[in-house]
Amino acid sequence: TQLLEQSPQFLSIQEGENLTVYCNSSSVFSSLQWYRQEPGEGPVLLVTVVTGGEVKKLKRLTFQFGDARKDSSLHITAAQPGDTGLYLCAGEGYSYGKLTFGQGTILTVHP
Amino acid sequence: ETGVTQSPTHLIKTRGQQVTLRCSSQSGHNTVSWYQQALGQGPQFIFQYYREEENGRGNFPPRFSGLQFPNYSSELNVNALELDDSALYLCASSPVTGTYNEQFFGPGTRLTVL
Repeated sequence: TQLLEQSPQFLSIQEGENLTVYCNSSSVFSSLQWYRQEPGEGPVLLVTVVTGGEVKKLKRLTFQFGDARKDSSLHITAAQPGDTGLYLCAGEGYSYGKLTFGQGTILTVHP
Repeated sequence: ETGVTQSPTHLIKTRGQQVTLRCSSQSGHNTVSWYQQALGQGPQFIFQYYREEENGRGNFPPRFSGLQFPNYSSELNVNALELDDSALYLCASSPVTGTYNEQFFGPGTRLTVL
């Protein structure tokens, strides 16, 4: 069974601070996806990383896939209140497109 | 381009009843996956449909079943509802292209079982 451990579970910071969310597994994934979910809505895809060691940037968000394709991180620079939400990492297995999700990180950015 | 839509938005049922949830996939997407998301948790994979056939299943009992139609829309059926089935049910569609499978989620159906 593939499992993804996401940490921290909760993060409460002030506007302008930096933060990192981690996603770790003992399993290898063909790709790793990061989503953001607002209350009452479905997850929205932020980025997909595919190659070991890959780094992708989306404005103030930086995503990294571990060399062994077992872990990933999301770093947000100068967080803003609009970044508040639930952040989910999800690994795709090799057999078919099943996504295994981490338990999520609830981020609150205070003005 | 129309995104993934789900109906109904909210649903209240009692224990033992049956429920059908519906999903219309995004235009051009031929694969549909269903997930269950309990409050405060990440989504859990229920099953996936591709070309009207079940293409993989998570750790859910047989009372969770599904269908995919020729237009790629899908249904999730749950029989003999239990209190623990209360959750947000998410549908995600994806195009089967390349070496990875980006999934696009609908807004979900919030099911409450009393």
